Amino acid sequence: DGGITQSPKYLFRKEGQNVTLSCEQNLNHDAMYWYRQDPGQGLRLIYYSQIVNDFQKGDIAEGYSVSREKKESFPLTVTSAQKNPTAFYLCASSPPTYGVGNQPQHFGDGTRLSIL
Amino acid sequence: SQQGEEDPQALSIQEGENATMNCSYKTSINNLQWYRQNSGRGLVHLILIRSNEREKHSGRLRVTLDTSKKSSSLLITASRAADTASYFCATDLNAGGTSYGKLTFGQGTILTVHP
Repeated sequence: DGGITQSPKYLFRKEGQNVTLSCEQNLNHDAMYWYRQDPGQGLRLIYYSQIVNDFQKGDIAEGYSVSREKKESFPLTVTSAQKNPTAFYLCASSPPTYGVGNQPQHFGDGTRLSIL
Repeated sequence: SQQGEEDPQALSIQEGENATMNCSYKTSINNLQWYRQNSGRGLVHLILIRSNEREKHSGRLRVTLDTSKKSSSLLITASRAADTASYFCATDLNAGGTSYGKLTFGQGTILTVHP
């Protein structure tokens, strides 16, 4: 079955440590997204990518980095510069949006990141 | 502040009753989407309604859009305990142009359906 796989489900970060969250999709979608969700809140966009080897900052990119070397993969690194990383991180993908407007996004089941 | 704001923040009903959730937004949009999130899980897309549409149906779901009031509503008819979840509206921010897939989510309505 097609879908989005996020791993790990739970992740713990020590002070000064970078951690990488994995996101893989087999839906053949061009666009991929990373969101952060805090308790009782909506989703905030961290980074998004419309095509391989290209990505743009979202609303809260500081302290995060991404790469898009393959269509299927869009890993997110939470760097030590992100001082409040404890949150639920969601990855999503969609068909291309250029010229057609927003498309429904398909989400993974998230990674919950906590500070040790 | 958020582009989309849901109302109410929480809704508690009995099975069989209808549930109505509202979403207001501030700027012109190309389309508006509704998503559902079960506790601890990812979001699931429910319905997309375009700015030139006024109403859309999918099973027990009915979505309306009033662009003059910048608001949308999601109606779930004959609710079931399995409908218990958080419901979010999401909007793009650019009307008449390419929005590059950027969605802005509201804070959600927590729906609890009691058996």
